[in-house]
Amino acid sequence: DSGVTQTPKHLITATGQRVTLRCSPRSGDLSVYWYQQSLDQGLQFLIQYYNGEERAKGNILERFSAQQFPDLHSELNLSSLELGDSALYFCASSGDFNQPQHFGDGTRLSIL
Amino acid sequence: AQTVTQSQPEMSVQEAETVTLSCTYDTSENNYYLFWYKQPPSRQMILVIRQEAYKQQNATENRFSVNFQKAAKSFSLKISDSQLGDTAMYFCAFMKDYAGNTGKLIFGQGTTLQVKP
Repeated sequence: DSGVTQTPKHLITATGQRVTLRCSPRSGDLSVYWYQQSLDQGLQFLIQYYNGEERAKGNILERFSAQQFPDLHSELNLSSLELGDSALYFCASSGDFNQPQHFGDGTRLSIL
Repeated sequence: AQTVTQSQPEMSVQEAETVTLSCTYDTSENNYYLFWYKQPPSRQMILVIRQEAYKQQNATENRFSVNFQKAAKSFSLKISDSQLGDTAMYFCAFMKDYAGNTGKLIFGQGTTLQVKP
């Protein structure tokens, strides 16, 4: 158990819809990272938050947004969903930037 | 931009034998970190081993060790005494190390390892 909790584990929805993925980091970790794993793109960094502030953006679409709340949990919002958004979305957390990242079990998003 | 390349999409090894997974990377940075992550069929991402580029000594974690060749930009993972539970996809990852580093991990494409009984 990594200590990082992601909900839900599975999500099935239709094109055009909006979903929210939730992540609770390990106790004491201030950094939260979101990654997308798909068959064609592999594992890609989306966005990072540190203590409530956005720190870095990667290959994140404009239809996607995220935030980190005062209790340090984070949410990734995906809107106007397309078939190509089907993927496994991971959240990871770390204490500091140079500390190893510990991953949650992921949310499997399926767009029908 | 940094890139990470794993040239072996699939590998197999007999139980109890040794296998080496390859990884090369491209960067102009001098200070960085390298990682191997394991993703078993349960799809969890599990940290296997971590190497700081400024350390000449190769990292070791039980049956897992790395061969870090900084000049060649090579970072291979050796698994000794392979066990059935080692069956997984293995990802090599790179992270910069400098003031203001974000901690962003750049992953290779992965190598699927099957351990055969």
